[in-house]
Amino acid sequence: GNSVTQMEGPVTLSEEAFLTINCTYTATGYPSLFWYVQYPGEGLQLLLKATKADDKGSNKGFEATYRKETTSFHLEKGSVQVSDSAVYFCALSVYDNYGQNFVFGPGTRLSVLP
Amino acid sequence: DVKVTQSSRYLVKRTGEKVFLECVQDMDHENMFWYRQDPGLGLRLIYFSYDVKMKEKGDIPEGYSVSREKKERFSLILESASTNQTSMYLCASSFLGSGDEQFFGPGTRLTVL
Repeated sequence: GNSVTQMEGPVTLSEEAFLTINCTYTATGYPSLFWYVQYPGEGLQLLLKATKADDKGSNKGFEATYRKETTSFHLEKGSVQVSDSAVYFCALSVYDNYGQNFVFGPGTRLSVLP
Repeated sequence: DVKVTQSSRYLVKRTGEKVFLECVQDMDHENMFWYRQDPGLGLRLIYFSYDVKMKEKGDIPEGYSVSREKKERFSLILESASTNQTSMYLCASSFLGSGDEQFFGPGTRLTVL
C-alpha cells in the first residue's frame, strides 16, 4: 500500500540551527512528494514539492530531494528562524488501482527558540 | 491565488444537532476533500469527491455524509453531532493530476457539547 513515515517530534531548536526532518514513503506507483506547513490556527500550506526522482523542491530556504533509491524526501533548512515554528507534514500523491491517492504523514512539530 | 474558503472558523453545536460545514474553491478543481485533524492522529480523510455528484468514502466516513451539487462547493454534514466529533475540520481541493498539490482552507474548529 501507500504510506508516509516521518519523525513525530516535537523538535526544538535554537535560532540559526540546522534543521532536518526525515520522511520516508512506500508507494505502489510513481508518487509525487510534498511538504506542507501548518502555522498555529491555520490550514496547511504547500511548502515545496517534487514530482520525479532526483528533483529538488525548494522554498523559503527549505529544501528536499526526491530520493527513489532510499524512498526518502527529507526536509532541510540551513538556519531556522523563530517564525519557522509550525507543524510540518510530508505527503505523497499517487495513482494506483483505486484511483488518485493522497497520503499524509503524522506531522512534526517544530519549535524554534530565540 | 487559489482560494479555498470554509463557512466558519469556529462552531459550537449541541449533541444531536445536524451540522453543515461548507467549503468553496475558486480554481475549478475537480477534486475536493474533507479531513479531520486531531492531536496525535494527524489528518484523517473523511470523504472526497472527484466530480460533481460523485463521492468516495475515506478512512473514517462513519457519522458523516457529503454533498457536491456544484463543482466549486463541497459540503460535509454531521447528521446527528456527537461529542467525539469535536475536532478541527479541513477542506482541500486539487486538480486531478498526481503532481498537483492540495490547497487547504483555514479550517473549522467544531465543538460539540
